[in-house]
Amino acid sequence: QKEVEQNSGPLSVPEGAIASLNCTYSDRGSQSFFWYRQYSGKSPELIMFIYSNGDKEDGRFTAQLNKASQYVSLLIRDSQPSDSATYLCAVPTHSGNTPLVFGKGTRLSVIA
Amino acid sequence: DGGITQSPKYLFRKEGQNVTLSCEQNLNHDAMYWYRQDPGQGLRLIYYSQIVNDFQKGDIAEGYSVSREKKESFPLTVTSAQKNPTAFYLCASSIIGLSRAYNEQFFGPGTRLTVL
Repeated sequence: QKEVEQNSGPLSVPEGAIASLNCTYSDRGSQSFFWYRQYSGKSPELIMFIYSNGDKEDGRFTAQLNKASQYVSLLIRDSQPSDSATYLCAVPTHSGNTPLVFGKGTRLSVIA
Repeated sequence: DGGITQSPKYLFRKEGQNVTLSCEQNLNHDAMYWYRQDPGQGLRLIYYSQIVNDFQKGDIAEGYSVSREKKESFPLTVTSAQKNPTAFYLCASSIIGLSRAYNEQFFGPGTRLTVL
């Protein structure tokens, strides 16, 4: 049974700072990783997907994958109050098109 | 306008009643999923289906049932056997494609079920 661990937070950062969210996973064979953002009372939306070791950047978001250490991080640069949400890390249960295993999420609060 | 719809948005159930949550998608996705989310928790998989007329149990299938008679539809029934059904229910769908590494799931807006 794959497991995904996240610090539940809340993580509070001032507006304009870099928010760093971390996720560790149990299965060394995991190949792809997803970051979803979920606003309170809403459904999750995908913000980043990473497959290869290293960094992947998309706008203010950077995902960092370290397979040797089995962690994946999400950095949010120039944090805005609108980034305040819960961020969920997820990995597929198996390679390919299978359900995702989600962490419990980290709640981020960006203080204006 | 493509997407996933869930209805109703809010649902109230009396103890002992069965209720059915609707999930429809017009994205032409093959796979559909049902997750449950409790306050402060991540998503837990109830059932999923990768093809019409076939579905598999997830981690917490007890007390739930599903059907997949059409590609577009994947309704979830919460039966009276589910002892603690109050939760936020999320339906999702994804393609089944050539890339074994990619599995983006698109979520519907969710149904919030409360047992009275």
